[in-house]
Amino acid sequence: GDSVTQMEGPVTLSEEAFLTINCTYTATGYPSLFWYVQYPGEGLQLLLKATKADDKGSNKGFEATYRKETTSFHLEKGSVQVSDSAVYFCALSRGYGGSQGNLIFGKGTKLSVKP
Amino acid sequence: NAGVTQTPKFQVLKTGQSMTLQCAQDMNHEYMSWYRQDPGMGLRLIHYSVGAGITDQGEVPNGYNVSRSTTEDFPLRLLSAAPSQTSVYFCASSYSEERVYEQYFGPGTRLTVT
Repeated sequence: GDSVTQMEGPVTLSEEAFLTINCTYTATGYPSLFWYVQYPGEGLQLLLKATKADDKGSNKGFEATYRKETTSFHLEKGSVQVSDSAVYFCALSRGYGGSQGNLIFGKGTKLSVKP
Repeated sequence: NAGVTQTPKFQVLKTGQSMTLQCAQDMNHEYMSWYRQDPGMGLRLIHYSVGAGITDQGEVPNGYNVSRSTTEDFPLRLLSAAPSQTSVYFCASSYSEERVYEQYFGPGTRLTVT
């Protein structure tokens, strides 16, 4: 079945460091790929998305590129801030009709950024 | 718009008790779903609905019931609470744009079963 694997945390970085959180997926067809962020005590918010191969999603300085050849969707940011401290979830959906709209999540990666 | 709202925010139940977690959205989304979040497990789908009157099971449906009588509301019922149902529960709603479902999440309900 479909699945998402993301690097385990926690990840601790100093402010202004470069961030990479790895995410790979297994799916039939051409899924849509998402990164969600969860700040402490809150629900999940969509951070960025990509819907087809070679698409790059970007938001708030974060980027991820949909790589079909490596089945990956790694999250990157060039210079993290303390306010980026959160849990990050990679997810996929096959995106058509009925159950295909459901999201399949990775287990999440907790990021802590120190000043 | 309020988006997706959930009540209560916190709840403590004794084993065997029943309760309903409420979820409402004001975005006229057809698709709604319930997830549970457990440490180290990510989010797992409990039940979902593709429209009023239509529901289906997700990955972990046992011990939970849902119904969808209106587009706006999608309550989750725990029939007889068990300690294994201690978790954080998230409701989500979404629309489809060119077959891409972008989901909007509520703030969550933290449930403890003793």
